[in-house]
Amino acid sequence: GENVEQHPSTLSVQEGDSAVIKCTYSDSASNYFPWYKQELGKRPQLIIDIRSNVGEKKDQRIAVTLNKTAKHFSLHITETQPEDSAVYFCAASRYNQGGKLIFGQGTELSVKP
Amino acid sequence: NAGVTQTPKFQVLKTGQSMTLQCAQDMNHNSMYWYRQDPGMGLRLIYYSASEGTTDKGEVPNGYNVSRLNKREFSLRLESAAPSQTSVYFCASTLAGVGDTQYFGPGTRLTVL
Repeated sequence: GENVEQHPSTLSVQEGDSAVIKCTYSDSASNYFPWYKQELGKRPQLIIDIRSNVGEKKDQRIAVTLNKTAKHFSLHITETQPEDSAVYFCAASRYNQGGKLIFGQGTELSVKP
Repeated sequence: NAGVTQTPKFQVLKTGQSMTLQCAQDMNHNSMYWYRQDPGMGLRLIYYSASEGTTDKGEVPNGYNVSRLNKREFSLRLESAAPSQTSVYFCASTLAGVGDTQYFGPGTRLTVL
């Protein structure tokens, strides 16, 4: 089955710096890759996603890149702000499997003012 | 719309006791999921229901059973709770499966003594 590895497990940056979180997946048939943000004590919420027919997607200060050949995808956050502090999860999914997501282990991002 | 709701919010059980976690969604979604979240291990899929009338095992199904009661409701049952089942449990739903946003409930924090 699918396995998703996420790095780093913790990341600390200064406000205004960029943050990058990387994930690798094992199943070459996976074709949907969402990223979720989870604030302390809250539920995970989708922040951006990418499909396998696209190499890059941006939404304001966040972007996701996908390299299908290498089977890895990354989340990029620019101009980080204290409110970006949270745990971020990557996930992978494929068609014909009921939409189930396999998640990475999570990255705790801390943005210091 | 309430979105995805879960009951209870908190629960303490003794080893060997049974309980059912309830989940309901009012978004007319077809697919529903149960995850558990443990520190450092991300979100792991327990069971899912791709559509009303179907259920399938996820990554960690042992010790759990599920029922898709109708299109709105998807329950998770622990028949004989064990300390290893201490976790935060999240229910999620999505409209049609792969490529659609999964919306999470607020979670149930379960402690098994």
